[in-house]
Amino acid sequence: QSVLTQPPSLSAAPGQKVTISCSGSSSNIANHFVSWYQQLPGAAPKLLIFEDNKRFSGIPDRFSGSKSATSATLVITGLQTGDEADYYCGVWDRSLRGVVFGGGTELTVL
Amino acid sequence: QVQLVQSGAEVKKPGASVKVSCKASGYSFNTYQMDWVRQAPGQGLEWLGRIHPGEDRTNYAQKLQGRITMTGDTSTSTAYMELTSLRSEDTAIYYCARAWGDGYFMVDYWGQGTLVSVSS
Repeated sequence: QSVLTQPPSLSAAPGQKVTISCSGSSSNIANHFVSWYQQLPGAAPKLLIFEDNKRFSGIPDRFSGSKSATSATLVITGLQTGDEADYYCGVWDRSLRGVVFGGGTELTVL
Repeated sequence: QVQLVQSGAEVKKPGASVKVSCKASGYSFNTYQMDWVRQAPGQGLEWLGRIHPGEDRTNYAQKLQGRITMTGDTSTSTAYMELTSLRSEDTAIYYCARAWGDGYFMVDYWGQGTLVSVSS
């Protein structure tokens, strides 16, 4: 059971938009910056978004992040087949004094 | 460019220990922290802890306290993660990743991962 809650899977057609949610609490998301990671099959995770809404170097503007209270959101527009991956949110948790991740969302582009 | 190169796969018996290395290049090793994250087969990411090599500070996940030790060798820019009293549940890919800040989470570069298999 992950501290942060993400939908286990989502699917959308190429060209469409998908929204991935990440729900936490006052000990993590509400008071600390959220980052998002993409993990392609068989590869290490890759940073997409940091500090809630900043795109990492080289990340296209099709990827965007936002946060409100105890929830964060990753939005991917203009979906491509190459976006098929697992997506994870991560954040510092002040109660646990460590980092917590969401359980991951498997995105299928069909 | 920033690179993190990890040691090769390990096969261990229950109760044994494993030590994974992560050699950094392309940046000042002393300046950044290093996080360790693992991923069990078919599962999500789990944060194991963090080391600041330049300040010799560590912060471990509560679940692994007492079994995990992270160290850093500034002369070779290499970070190490040792896990003792291995159990089958420790079977996972272990990643090192360059981390920023205290009380904050952002890792921008990851190692390629090291598979640790624990089986009798």
